[in-house]
Order: sequence, then C-alpha cells, then structure tokens
Amino acid sequence: GAVVSQHPSWVICKSGTSVKIECRSLDFQATTMFWYRQFPKQSLMLMATSNEGSKATYEQGVEKDKFLINHASLTLSTLTVTSAHPEDSSFYICSASPALSSYNEQFFGPGTRLTVL
Amino acid sequence: KQEVTQIPAALSVPEGENLVLNCSFTDSAIYNLQWFRQDPGKGLTSLLLIQSSQREQTSGRLNASLDKSSGRSTLYIAASQPGDSATYLCAVRPTDSWGKFQFGAGTQVVVTP
Repeated sequence: GAVVSQHPSWVICKSGTSVKIECRSLDFQATTMFWYRQFPKQSLMLMATSNEGSKATYEQGVEKDKFLINHASLTLSTLTVTSAHPEDSSFYICSASPALSSYNEQFFGPGTRLTVL
Repeated sequence: KQEVTQIPAALSVPEGENLVLNCSFTDSAIYNLQWFRQDPGKGLTSLLLIQSSQREQTSGRLNASLDKSSGRSTLYIAASQPGDSATYLCAVRPTDSWGKFQFGAGTQVVVTP
C-alpha cells in the first residue's frame, strides 16, 4: 500500500520557537495533503488542506499565520508551527491521497508528537 | 454540519468474543466511509474503506457494513485477540468537501487474554 512518512516523529521545543514538520508520500504523488491535530483522548481535527503549488485552505478557527503550510512538490508538504506555545502541544498527523486514485482513499502518516515547554 | 458519533466510547471483552463497533453520521450525503485503527501514540492504520454505493467490505476477520440512508456503519471483528486492543476510528467523507474527512471520537477496545 501507499506509504506516508512524517519527520520528526517527536519534537520538544521551547515556547516562542518555530517547529517544522515534514510530510512525504514515499511511493506516490499527492496533489493534496491534509493536516490534522489530535489532542489526548480526542479525535482528529482537520486543520488545513494543502494543495501543491497553491495556498493552503484552513479550517475555521485555525490561524493561518501561526500554522504555515507549504506544499512545494507532489510528494512533500510542510507544516511550520510559528512562535509555539504550550497550548500547541499536540499530535500532528498528515494524510495524502494518490493523485490517480479513483477511490480517494487517504493514507496517513505516523504522526509527530510536539511538546512545547 | 456533518457529525460523526461512535458508540461505545470504550469496550472491554475477553479474548475470543466478537467485537461490534458502531458509527453513526448525521448527513447521508457521503462519498465514502473509512475505518481506522490507532495504537497509543501512533498514527492511523486503514482497515476498511466503503464507497457510498457499497453495503459492506470484508478483510479477514473484519467486516464493515454501511447503511447510508440511516447514517450507520458497523465494524465487526470476529474472534477477538489481545492484539486487537486499540482505538478504532471511523471517518466519513462528505460529498461536498472533497478529501476532507470528518472523524468520530473513536472506540477504545481492550481484549483481555
């Protein structure tokens, strides 16, 4: 099956710093990737839709200036948490759909655990 | 707005029993529904994908049904094993929001030896 990777798998940073998380589709091209956030014992909440070569679309309530998304190629999307604060500590998961998939099945990355001190 | 509910929130069964996990959604205008498994601190593993035109999908000990008109899906896991212990999430993709999944809160399953 299709594989999606994320890097890093976990990161600890100081409050006020910026953190970049990468999402890669390893064996397929993805014109669209999605970024989710999951707080402990809660479900996944969609943050934004990342489209290759264009601006990301953010869900209501998600600050676009705080969560910068760049989809530079058909296999890479990055999420940068700017000026991170403890309340940004969460599990961030990306997903991608193969560009030629007729079923639009999404494949999820393993997630990145962000802890802001 | 589409809402996805999973009942029960938690479930504990002895090994060998069959598991029945329920998922309901409020808007029947969906493109597909997907069941996932999530282990603690890990990402999601796709289990079964059901298109809106399908009524069920099977993979090994897993069977998922879909009744779009009533807004329900059920995941059956036969002859449960301790390795089935995980959180199971269902997600629907509405027809009016391409690619965006709406997730349920999940059912946490514990299978005791």
